[in-house]
Amino acid sequence: GQNIDQPTEMTATEGAIVQINCTYQTSGFNGLFWYQQHAGEAPTFLSYNVLDGLEEKGRFSSFLSRSKGYSYLLLKELQMKDSASYLCAVSPNDYKLSFGAGTTVTVRA
Amino acid sequence: IAGITQAPTSQILAAGRRMTLRCTQDMRHNAMYWYRQDLGLGLRLIHYSNTAGTTGKGEVPDGYSVSRANTDDFPLTLASAVPSQTSVYFCASSRLAGEGNEQFFGPGTRLTVL
Repeated sequence: GQNIDQPTEMTATEGAIVQINCTYQTSGFNGLFWYQQHAGEAPTFLSYNVLDGLEEKGRFSSFLSRSKGYSYLLLKELQMKDSASYLCAVSPNDYKLSFGAGTTVTVRA
Repeated sequence: IAGITQAPTSQILAAGRRMTLRCTQDMRHNAMYWYRQDLGLGLRLIHYSNTAGTTGKGEVPDGYSVSRANTDDFPLTLASAVPSQTSVYFCASSRLAGEGNEQFFGPGTRLTVL
């Protein structure tokens, strides 16, 4: 089976930075995805990493270390609208995804 | 541009009843997926389809069946619903298999089995 771990909850202040860690143990590796999911809505794609290193996309960055089975999602200049669940997902092979349970981020004024 | 649509939005169902959740995409994506999302467990794959005419089992397939008669539609059927199938069901699709295969999700169906 696949094992993907991420913290359950995090709280941060508006304008701050938050880092959401994800560790994984999977039978294969074909890439790691981060999705954002607001309450009551569908997940939406944020980022994709398949090589080691940092991928930056505006206020959001995602990092991957394949040797350590580790990724993080960095949210900078937090805004109230960033309050959501953030899902780490690994593609062990082909195109299927295995998801972590998600991290609920609450941004406070 | 609709992307992926799901129907119904929500449903309350008596145990033992048969139910089909509908999913349609207009992006001409090859692959489609059904997930269930439960509190504390995240998204779990029920069934998937690489392309029209083929289907496969995911992590939690028992009690569910799917068909893929064409590219656009991927219905999920509960033959005889049980309370443990109470969940939020998401359909997703992706352009093609392989590297960088971003999945797009439908709005979800909230199903309650009593």
